[in-house]
Parts: sequence; structure tokens; C-alpha cells
Amino acid sequence: NAGVTQTPKFRVLKTGQSMTLLCAQDMNHEYMYWYRQDPGMGLRLIHYSVGEGTTAKGEVPDGYNVSRLKKQNFLLGLESAAPSQTSVYFCASNPGAGAVQPQHFGDGTRLSIL
Amino acid sequence: GQNIDQPTEMTATEGAIVQINCTYQTSGFNGLFWYQQHAGEAPTFLSYNVLDGLEEKGRFSSFLSRSKGYSYLLLKELQMKDSASYLCAVRRNTGFQKLVFGTGTRLLVSP
Repeated sequence: NAGVTQTPKFRVLKTGQSMTLLCAQDMNHEYMYWYRQDPGMGLRLIHYSVGEGTTAKGEVPDGYNVSRLKKQNFLLGLESAAPSQTSVYFCASNPGAGAVQPQHFGDGTRLSIL
Repeated sequence: GQNIDQPTEMTATEGAIVQINCTYQTSGFNGLFWYQQHAGEAPTFLSYNVLDGLEEKGRFSSFLSRSKGYSYLLLKELQMKDSASYLCAVRRNTGFQKLVFGTGTRLLVSP
């Protein structure tokens, strides 16, 4: 059981370039989340989705877009990368409404913007 | 808004006991999670408290006092592999199982 898989694991971009980070989960979870983790800042929620075709803004959504066309996939896009977006990005999933369940995290994508 | 505070760094010796504290101020509190994160890896779930008291899971225990806005994670019989960051996260009743994370406590276990 793969759980939550993120691709790519590493990427270096130049300022102004665009890219998409892919998150895939095989646990049939309804909820999915994108976080960024920066030194001294902890994990901060960028966007999240509560089901196929839905997305919502988190704490730090500016400069990012997301899509959830299929239940198992949650894509995070950077349209015009900026150095301030250099970070480690984590995707997580959760079964959904009902009993409290922990979020399950992917291994992260380390992104550097030059 | 919400505010979650944890010590930045702690050190301890192999075989010892260490307590990592977390204080929070938030409206609509609906539970507190502890995660472990080794350097360069994903956070992994350790424990969850929603009611006051102690939850024990092997060498790890977590305590919650809702009236004091306080939790701690207790690690017993420390092992070298316990060197990691420990993240405190609060769940609010705004729905969708969203969490707000503290900045994490980096624990270094020495021989």
C-alpha cells in the first residue's frame, strides 16, 4: 500500500517558470491538503479539497492554484514561481467527515526557486 | 486566531525520559495531535487527545488539559532513533479535519 505519493521529489526552477506538483493517494480518502514547510514556520496550509471537483483556500494560498479532477489526485500549480516559494511541500490526505482521523502525509517535494 | 507554542529544541540522553510541552490559544478547540518528523521525511502520526487526561501508547504518552490550553508528549526509555522533530497540531471545529501546526520541537538524543 503506497499511501500518499508525491512527484517530483526535488525540483529547481528559475523565477517566472511554472510547474505542477502531483499528489496521489490510494486510500480512497475524501479530503486532501497541500502544505508548505519553512524553517521556523511549521507546516502551513496552502489549499485543501474535501472531494472530487472541490477546492478551498487555506492559510497561505497566494501564488498557488490547485485542482482535484480525480478523487485520488490533488495537483498544486505555481504559475509564475518566485524565490519566496522555495520550500518543502507536503501533501496529506484524510478519510473525510465522521470520526476524527489523523492526516497521512507524503514524503514531500523540495522546491528551489532561483 | 490561534497561537501554538513549543520549545524550539531539546536535548536528552539515551534511556532517559523527556517531556515536550505545547501550549495553544484557539477558539473552537476540537482535539490535539502529535506528529513525529525525522529530518527529510514526512510527518507521521503519534497520538491524539480530545478529552482531558493521559493517552498512553507504548513508550509514548500524551496529555491534554483543555482548561489550561496545554498538552505534553512524554517519551520514555529514549532511543537514538527518537531524534526527530515533534509537531503539535490543533484541530478546530471549523470542519474538514483541518489542522494548525506549531513550529515543532527538535529533539536530539545523545548516547
